[in-house]
Amino acid sequence: SQQGEEDPQALSIQEGENATMNCSYKTSINNLQWYRQNSGRGLVHLILIRSNEREKHSGRLRVTLDTSKKSSSLLITASRAADTASYFCFYQFYFGTGTSLTVIP
Amino acid sequence: DTGVSQDPRHKITKRGQNVTFRCDPISEHNRLYWYRQTLGQGPEFLTYFQNEAQLEKSRLLSDRFSAERPKGSFSTLEIQRTEQGDSAMYLCASSLSVTGGLEFYGYTFGSGTRLTVV
Repeated sequence: SQQGEEDPQALSIQEGENATMNCSYKTSINNLQWYRQNSGRGLVHLILIRSNEREKHSGRLRVTLDTSKKSSSLLITASRAADTASYFCFYQFYFGTGTSLTVIP
Repeated sequence: DTGVSQDPRHKITKRGQNVTFRCDPISEHNRLYWYRQTLGQGPEFLTYFQNEAQLEKSRLLSDRFSAERPKGSFSTLEIQRTEQGDSAMYLCASSLSVTGGLEFYGYTFGSGTRLTVV
């Protein structure tokens, strides 16, 4: 399977804390993307990082990419209850296994 | 343009029946994708189109599945002789691919069609 693997599978934190999710992928990439999916809702694109970039920021999101290790991480700072969702990395056509994040108010 | 539209939102069908789903992508987007998602799992790639050409198909897309994108606009996904294992959310997405096939923007997903085979 080309599917990437995410770690941890589930994460529970208090509001205001930071959340870090990691993704391991299997092929060479042009870019890697992160998506969020709220329970029962559609997928929303969060951020895209190109293969020649090492770090990218968007609001409270910080994404890193290490192509030598075929890995990426997503950091959400100062988490809010509304950040509760599943987060997926995505590359080529394939989604990772996802991290379920719960932010406790 | 209000994004990617999928129709119907829900479909309940009896095993053995054929079903067809429709996706209307963002008009400026030249690529269109179909995914399938079951509860608790990430979306699984089925197929994608660049304009009207179907360029890649997953092994998940059995002979009972067929997708079309006539004229490079909307797309249909048909499942013939449905099985209970086909029950899932079917997601459509579109994107803009620039010169060289590189995407600098993310995919826009529709809300999906939930298929239940009874």
